[in-house]
Formats: sequence, structure tokens, C-alpha cells
Amino acid sequence: DQQVKQNSPSLSVQEGRISILNCDYTNSMFDYFLWYKKYPAEGPTFLISISSIKDKNEDGRFTVFLNKSAKHLSLHIVPSQPGDSAVYFCAAIVSGGGADGLTFGKGTHLIIQP
Amino acid sequence: NAGVTQTPKFQVLKTGQSMTLQCAQDMNHNSMYWYRQDPGMGLRLIYYSASEGTTDKGEVPNGYNVSRLNKREFSLRLESAAPSQTSVYFCASKRKGQNYEQYFGPGTRLTVT
Repeated sequence: DQQVKQNSPSLSVQEGRISILNCDYTNSMFDYFLWYKKYPAEGPTFLISISSIKDKNEDGRFTVFLNKSAKHLSLHIVPSQPGDSAVYFCAAIVSGGGADGLTFGKGTHLIIQP
Repeated sequence: NAGVTQTPKFQVLKTGQSMTLQCAQDMNHNSMYWYRQDPGMGLRLIYYSASEGTTDKGEVPNGYNVSRLNKREFSLRLESAAPSQTSVYFCASKRKGQNYEQYFGPGTRLTVT
């Protein structure tokens, strides 16, 4: 049973426009969320995170929004650039200072069109 | 500072063969992890090590063993490879405390025929 769901396998956006990637989760114990970006033949790289005590976190062109009541988060990229073309994974964890692993969604392949 | 390194990058095994995937990090991180990624799937946790000398099972541990050799190194062993273990394997590490960001290696692409 998937606890973190990314229902859009792919998304195509024009360069310069906003990209919005969505993620839903079912485990209400998750209280920390991360987005990773992955290029082919490379490992995932950390992009941005958000704690459940916040509803928004911003870092440059990247903003993550969290709606706890809907168990939904989204990643906004604005403006979208060609180098943003990659697979984006949403991940979640139950915090507490432990070392448990992350639970990942299946990923969304973002394609930025020139 | 190389971050997280993994060897080998690619490997082909026959069913029943054994091998060890190596992982090392130079960031002085306490926790280390092994994930696998299958086509169209997210990463799934195989095993993790919260600190030197400890290991714990993740979501998909069957068919694997791990060794936390020291603080830097965390290896993953397949004793008798099966075609279902064909996957890309990623090692990751995380520093101690309430920062949950994990740093990933470049991956090992394993094919079992």
C-alpha cells in the first residue's frame, strides 16, 4: 500500500512558466517532507524540505506548500528552466531524531519545453 | 570531498552468484542507508544503519545482508542473486540529529540473468 503517491508520472511545461508537482500521503504520522531531483544515471539530490509545523517553505525558484488537512503537498518551480528537466521524487518521514529511512513516491518526470 | 561513493557502477550476475556492493561516505555522517529503485517505482529502503555497529531492516530486506564496517563504510551483500534483484541500488547517508536530508551516491546498476 503506497503511503506516498505522485499520481502524475510526467508533466510537460514551457520554459519560463510555473511547474507544479503534486504529492499526496496517507500516513498521518508523517511530519517531515522532502523533494528530491534525479537526473538519469545519477543519484537523487536534495532540493527542498518542509516540516509539518509550516505550510510553506521557499528557496529561490523552489517553493513547497503543505496542506496537512488534505495530506497534500506541492512543489512549485518558477520560472521553469531547461535544467529543471528531471524526475522529481516526493519523500516523507516520521521525525523524532531517529535514523529511519525515507518513504518515496514513484516520481514525476518533468519535461521543460523550449 | 567526494560525498557518497559506490562501487561498482554496473554489474551483471548469474542467478545464484553472490556479490557485495560497497558504499563509503566522507562526510562523517552517522546514519547510512541502502535503497533499491525499480522501473516506474520510487526508492524502497532495504536496510539502514543508525550508527556504527548497528543495522536494521527496512521495507524490502529479504535476500540481502549488510555490514557497517566502520563509520565510513556500509556494504550490501547478495548471497544468492535472483532475477528479482535486478535493480538500481543507491546508498545514502545522513548526519546525526533532526536534519532528515539524506545524501545519495550515484547508484549501482545490477542485472541478474
